[in-house]
Amino acid sequence: EVQLVQSGAEVRKPGESLKISCQGSGYSFSNDWIAWVRQMPGKGLEWMGIIYPGGSDIRYSPSFEGQVTFSADTSISTAHLQWSSLKASDTAMYYCARTPRCYYDSSGPVRCDAFDIWGQGTMVTVSS
Amino acid sequence: DIQMTQSPSSLSASVGDRVTITCLPSQSISTYLNWYQQKPGKAPKVLIDATSSLQSGVPSRFSGSGSGTDFTLTISSLQPEDFATYYCQQSFNIPATFGQGTKVEIK
Repeated sequence: EVQLVQSGAEVRKPGESLKISCQGSGYSFSNDWIAWVRQMPGKGLEWMGIIYPGGSDIRYSPSFEGQVTFSADTSISTAHLQWSSLKASDTAMYYCARTPRCYYDSSGPVRCDAFDIWGQGTMVTVSS
Repeated sequence: DIQMTQSPSSLSASVGDRVTITCLPSQSISTYLNWYQQKPGKAPKVLIDATSSLQSGVPSRFSGSGSGTDFTLTISSLQPEDFATYYCQQSFNIPATFGQGTKVEIK
């Protein structure tokens, strides 16, 4: 079965760091893209960015650039989303999702197919 | 970034009703438009990609149409399991923005 399994819920204080994970199975993890999507409580979906685990390609949404860091470890088929200094406004559900293909121009990936597999989500709560 | 405007933001409908949701991108996106369904407490699920391509296992009562700056998701006969929130997403460029969602509730 093709699936993405995310790490469990986290509670942190403002200013703390955090790294959450998304492990793929049932497919070639290195060859497909992983996106991260934020959903704040009671709100809609926000595209944070994408990473290609098998290479060095990463694209962040301008809204999230500099606020989060994506990484991946193909040896354990896992992608990570991390924060160095959390804020209360980072409180949200975070989903990883797979897209099998992105398309390039000279500047890098410019367009990706729909997200066909989603993780179950990781709830991050930041509160003092 | 391309802004995606969905309407309505919510609707009430009865089982058996025909339901239409509209998605209007702020610029032309050809047919690079996807639809997702999200039920409470669950991850989204892709229903349709590339405007009208139904994903495997998705019932045929769901259909999508449109191009450019005007897209529609139609549920031909609403079923109890269809009560959920629906999101459009453009995959024309990065960031691949979502609409704000349409919540379909029971009348």
